[in-house]
Amino acid sequence: DIPMTQSPTSLSASVGDRVTITCRPSQSISNHLNWYQQKPGKAPKLLIYGASTLQSGVPPRFSGTGSGTDFTITISSLQPEDVGIYYCQQLWTFGQGTKVEIK
Amino acid sequence: EVQLVESGGALIQPGGSLRLSCAASGVTVSLSYMTWVRQAPGKGLEWVSTIYSDGRAYYADSVKGRCIISRENSKNTLYVQINSLRADDTAVYYCARASSGWPYYLDYWGQGTLVAVSS
Repeated sequence: DIPMTQSPTSLSASVGDRVTITCRPSQSISNHLNWYQQKPGKAPKLLIYGASTLQSGVPPRFSGTGSGTDFTITISSLQPEDVGIYYCQQLWTFGQGTKVEIK
Repeated sequence: EVQLVESGGALIQPGGSLRLSCAASGVTVSLSYMTWVRQAPGKGLEWVSTIYSDGRAYYADSVKGRCIISRENSKNTLYVQINSLRADDTAVYYCARASSGWPYYLDYWGQGTLVAVSS
């Protein structure tokens, strides 16, 4: 297993702000990194796979970049419905999650 | 439309066993990489087990030796049985479909079923 470190643990931003979350695996994983959003009481939802490919139906304000040991997911303009916890995942390991709130 | 519906969650005493089911529609369980992920109350996501289409099964260290993942092709249903349940097995258990290759993303999820281990 390759440990994944997400940062920050939580963030609070205003509607319309640009938000970035980072995921750093302990060793290089090429582009084998996926991102999920989980809203309270709901199952996680796949947002981005392969580091940068947007899952069908996901709004284009979400984007992912990175390779190797440094990955980011960016919300270009934070919306109220984006509140939740975001997880990165590589193979069968998840990051610890980043809680996103509206200021 | 793909649907995954978990069932079988319950309140179980420590040391007991439980089998969870995941009934699938819109996807063929036997041809897919199917996965169980759990989430303890207030905690993050933890992978539990995956069964590949060729039958190979993999388990997290936290459940290895106590857990069996299986499927019933005629019912298009995935199962996970966990024995010797402990308090730290308390969680919502999700089944999910994984892509059959890198980067192994989980694109379809069930709604989850709650397992509570307590005396």
